[in-house]
Order: sequence, then C-alpha cells, then structure tokens
Amino acid sequence: EIVLTQSPGTLSLSPGERVTLSCRASQSVYSTSLAWYQQKPGQAPRLLIYGASSRATGIPDRFSGSGSGTDFTLTISRLEPEDFAVYYCHQYGESPLSFGGGTKVEIK
Amino acid sequence: EVQLLESGGGLVQPGGSLRLSCAASGFTLRSYAMTWVRQAPGKGLEWVSSISASRTATYYADSVRGRFTISTDDSKNTLFLQMNILRVDDTAMYYCANMLTSPAGTKPFPGYWGQGALVTVSS
Repeated sequence: EIVLTQSPGTLSLSPGERVTLSCRASQSVYSTSLAWYQQKPGQAPRLLIYGASSRATGIPDRFSGSGSGTDFTLTISRLEPEDFAVYYCHQYGESPLSFGGGTKVEIK
Repeated sequence: EVQLLESGGGLVQPGGSLRLSCAASGFTLRSYAMTWVRQAPGKGLEWVSSISASRTATYYADSVRGRFTISTDDSKNTLFLQMNILRVDDTAMYYCANMLTSPAGTKPFPGYWGQGALVTVSS
C-alpha cells in the first residue's frame, strides 16, 4: 500500500500569498497517477489537479501541480479568499487507492 | 450537468446492514468506473471501493473487504454500496464519485463527487 504524507498539517497565510503544499509517497506513484482535491467545510471534495500537473475543468490557473516518483507539489500562486480550505493528495495508480492526511490552509 | 445524489444513510446498530445508493444524472453510468470514498467525522478521506467501467472488476479496501459489496444498476443509472456487519469505525460520510480518465488514457481518478450520505454506527 502506498502511504501519502502531506506537509505541513496546517498553514496560516494571508490573501495574496503564494503557497506550496507537499505530498510525499512511500513508494513511486505509477505514471504520475496523482491528483489533488480541495475540500471546504460541509462540502464534498473538488478535483483540482490530475496526472500530477493537469488542471481539471474550470480550475483557475493560479493552481498548479508538479512532481513525479515520490514527491509532488501543489502550488497556489496567489491565495484568494475562497482558497482557504483543506487540500488532499490522492494516488490512483495502484490498489489500494490512498489519500494523504490533508493540509489545512487557514487565514492568518 | 453531472450530478450524483447519495441516499440510504442513517443510524444503525453494530452488526447491522445498510445499502447506500448513488443516483447519477448528466452522464451515462455504464460508461464510467465508479468509486466510494468515506470520511469519518473530523478526519481525512479514505478510499472504500471501486468498480470498473466494464463491471467485471471490483476493488475493496482491506478494512471493508468481505463486508461491503459495490454494484451498479446501469439501467437505472445507480451505484450501490451494500454494507454488512457494520462496525462503530464505519461511521462516516460516504461519497460516491465517477472515475474520469485523462486524454493520455492512464488510470481513472475520482472526478465528480456527490454531497455524501452519513452513516452512523452506534448502539
């Protein structure tokens, strides 16, 4: 089973700042089969990034993903008020599928 | 517009059963792999089960294998999760999602999600 470790657990930031979230896998993720999701309180997760770096439909270009192998990154170039949420990485290349523990981005 | 609507959640005693349904609209269910993901209160996301688009393969997390069964009624555009021998640690919001594929055609990933069905297992 591939274990995904996200860091940091919580980030306290201000609107307009740049943020970089990390996701590290316990073993290599098959063919960059890595996605990122955003979840706000009381809502379902929303797909942001798939294939490590491809933005999902309707996702603003301030969101970008990168990485391969065991190290992946989600970057938000300039935080907007609606971006404060929890972010999860997810590997779907190998069963059992797995999610990281999440990084909460909160308002400073 | 793609919509997924879960139903069938509720309060059940340990050892009991529930069947969750996920009604799909805005797309043809039979063309997609589907998945269930759960989230215990205040916790992160946990993959539960998936079914292939061909419906010939099903996959389960170790924590539910042998107790949960995923299935579809493609004629009714509905996904199911039969949950038996429920335990207190199965308490969670259960989300269904369709599995999308990239233009490169690699493994499918959860795309659109429903709003979830809450399952509470307690005596």
